[in-house]
Amino acid sequence: DQQVKQNSPSLSVQEGRISILNCDYTNSMFDYFLWYKKYPAEGPTFLISISSIKDKNEDGRFTVFLNKSAKHLSLHIVPSQPGDSAVYFCAASANTGNQFYFGTGTSLTVIP
Amino acid sequence: DVKVTQSSRYLVKRTGEKVFLECVQDMDHENMFWYRQDPGLGLRLIYFSYDVKMKEKGDIPEGYSVSREKKERFSLILESASTNQTSMYLCASSLLGYQPQHFGDGTRLSIL
Repeated sequence: DQQVKQNSPSLSVQEGRISILNCDYTNSMFDYFLWYKKYPAEGPTFLISISSIKDKNEDGRFTVFLNKSAKHLSLHIVPSQPGDSAVYFCAASANTGNQFYFGTGTSLTVIP
Repeated sequence: DVKVTQSSRYLVKRTGEKVFLECVQDMDHENMFWYRQDPGLGLRLIYFSYDVKMKEKGDIPEGYSVSREKKERFSLILESASTNQTSMYLCASSLLGYQPQHFGDGTRLSIL
């Protein structure tokens, strides 16, 4: 049973515009969330995180929003750049354990 | 910078063989993880270890075992390889369980 879901397998955005990647989760015990970025033939690299005590966290062009009541988080990239083209995974964890649960990923293409 | 090194980028083995995938991290991290990545399924946790000689099953441990004799090294073992174990295997480490994980570049394993 997939506890973390990314319902959009792919997304295409023009360079300079905003990219919005979405993630939904089912487990109300999750209280820490991460986004990873993965290029082909490389391992995922950590991008940004958010704790459930916040509803927004920003790092440069990347902002993550958390809506706990809807069990939904999103990653905003603005402005999008061609180098942002990659697969993005969201992941969630509960404070009680060591395990992160990953979504299925969204492949972002930024068109020059 | 954390370095997680997986011994092989590509590996081809035969059905029934015993297969060893090796992973080494250089940052004295307590936790190490093995995932497999398959299209449409995201990253699924096979096993993790939070200390030397300690291991915990993840979501899909069947057909796999692990070994952690030294803190920096975590091995994944396919006891008798089968074609449904053809996949991308990713190793990761983290200092503590509730922290972002650092990934290796993956081993693409083909079982013929």
